[in-house]
Amino acid sequence: EAQVTQNPRYLITVTGKKLTVTCSQNMNHEYMSWYRQDPGLGLRQIYYSMNVEVTDKGDVPEGYKVSRKEKRNFPLILESPSPNQTSLYFCASSAWTGDQPQHFGDGTRLSIL
Amino acid sequence: SQQGEEDPQALSIQEGENATMNCSYKTSINNLQWYRQNSGRGLVHLILIRSNEREKHSGRLRVTLDTSKKSSSLLITASRAADTASYFCARLPGASNTGKLIFGQGTTLQVKP
Repeated sequence: EAQVTQNPRYLITVTGKKLTVTCSQNMNHEYMSWYRQDPGLGLRQIYYSMNVEVTDKGDVPEGYKVSRKEKRNFPLILESPSPNQTSLYFCASSAWTGDQPQHFGDGTRLSIL
Repeated sequence: SQQGEEDPQALSIQEGENATMNCSYKTSINNLQWYRQNSGRGLVHLILIRSNEREKHSGRLRVTLDTSKKSSSLLITASRAADTASYFCARLPGASNTGKLIFGQGTTLQVKP
C-alpha cells in the first residue's frame, strides 16, 4: 500500500530536548515536504526536498532542520524545541514538483512544555 | 496574505443535500488542488485541476476553475455523513519552481444524518 509514515504520532516533551520526527514514503517520490498546521494559520511549509541531498527552506524554517540522505526518508529535527513549536506536523511526498498530488502522512502532534 | 480565501468557513447540511465550497486567490496559478482532512488525520488528495482546465469530476465531486475570477469551487453532490471533514484548496503558484503549495484556511463541513 502506498503510504507516507510518520513517527511518532504523538509526543509530549520539554523545552530544549532534541527530538526527531521521522517520515518515510514507499512510492519512490522525489519531492518531500514538511508542514505545520496551526489554528487560524492553516498549513505552512517548513522545509522541502526535491531529491536526495537537495533541501530548501519553506515559509517557517526557523528552529527546524531536515536531511535527505535517502530518497524514502525525510526526518524533521528540532535541535532545541520551544513551546511555540507545539503544533500538528505533516510530512508529504509527491512524484514531481507540484504537478502531482501530494500524499500526506497522518500527522505528528507535538507538545513542547 | 499569500493564502487563498475559502468560504464559507463552516457549512452544515443534511445528508443528501449538495455542498459547495469556494476558494479565491490573488496571483496566477499552475494548478489548484482540493484536499480533505478528517479530524485528527492527514490530508487526502481529492482533485487537481490545471490552469487550462475549467471543470473536473471525480465521483460525487465536481471542481470548477475560473482563472479570470481567480476562483475555484468544490461541489459535493448527494452528501453523506462520511463526507464530514475539513476541505482545503491548495494552489501551486504559476511562477513556482519549488513545488510549494499554498493552502487556504479550509471549510469545515458537517453532514447531519
